[in-house]
Amino acid sequence: AIQMTQSPSSLSASVGDRVTITCRTSQGVSNDLGWYQQRPGKAPKLLIYGISFLQSGVPSRFSGSGSGTDFTLTISSLQPEDFATYYCLQDNNYPFTFGPGTKLEIK
Amino acid sequence: QMQLRESGPGLVKPSETLSLTCTVSGGSINSDYWNWIRQSPGTGLEWIGYLHHSGTTNYNPSLESRVTISMDMSRTQFSLRLTSVTAADTAVYYCARRKIDVAGAYYFDYWGQGTLVTVSS
Repeated sequence: AIQMTQSPSSLSASVGDRVTITCRTSQGVSNDLGWYQQRPGKAPKLLIYGISFLQSGVPSRFSGSGSGTDFTLTISSLQPEDFATYYCLQDNNYPFTFGPGTKLEIK
Repeated sequence: QMQLRESGPGLVKPSETLSLTCTVSGGSINSDYWNWIRQSPGTGLEWIGYLHHSGTTNYNPSLESRVTISMDMSRTQFSLRLTSVTAADTAVYYCARRKIDVAGAYYFDYWGQGTLVTVSS
């Protein structure tokens, strides 16, 4: 199975900050890499798919980039509702695998 | 607007079978991939498997010997069966749709709200 790592595992930031979360895969996943936001007690919500495609309805302050085995999620200006946990997911190889998550907290 | 909702027992005894159903409203299982995913504090998010609308299935090898995902004849529900459960199967179970867009990119766009299943005697 493809192993996924995310860094940092947690992050404290302030409203208005620019933050970047990194996801690394143990082997290439082509463009089959997505990012999901999860708030406590809720299901994950799709933000970015295909490395950089913004899901309909998701604010443009979210963006994704990367290639090969290294990918990033950037939030350009944090809003109060962005404090949550973020996961990357690869669905290029079976079994599909998720990153361990990055918890974004208010400073 | 499509909605997915998981249902089933919240408590299952060790060695018994966990059975959950996902009801799809605002659409049907006539296209796309229909997935089960679980989440526990110990193992994070884990993909269990999917059912393709054609009837093809694909399972996580870590669970393959115990898992079956099947479709209801109405094509508005799909189900998960996980046999011989242990405490390690305690988790929140989600159903989710995986879709492919015109550019060939896949994504999981619709998720159920999740249902907690506890394995305990």
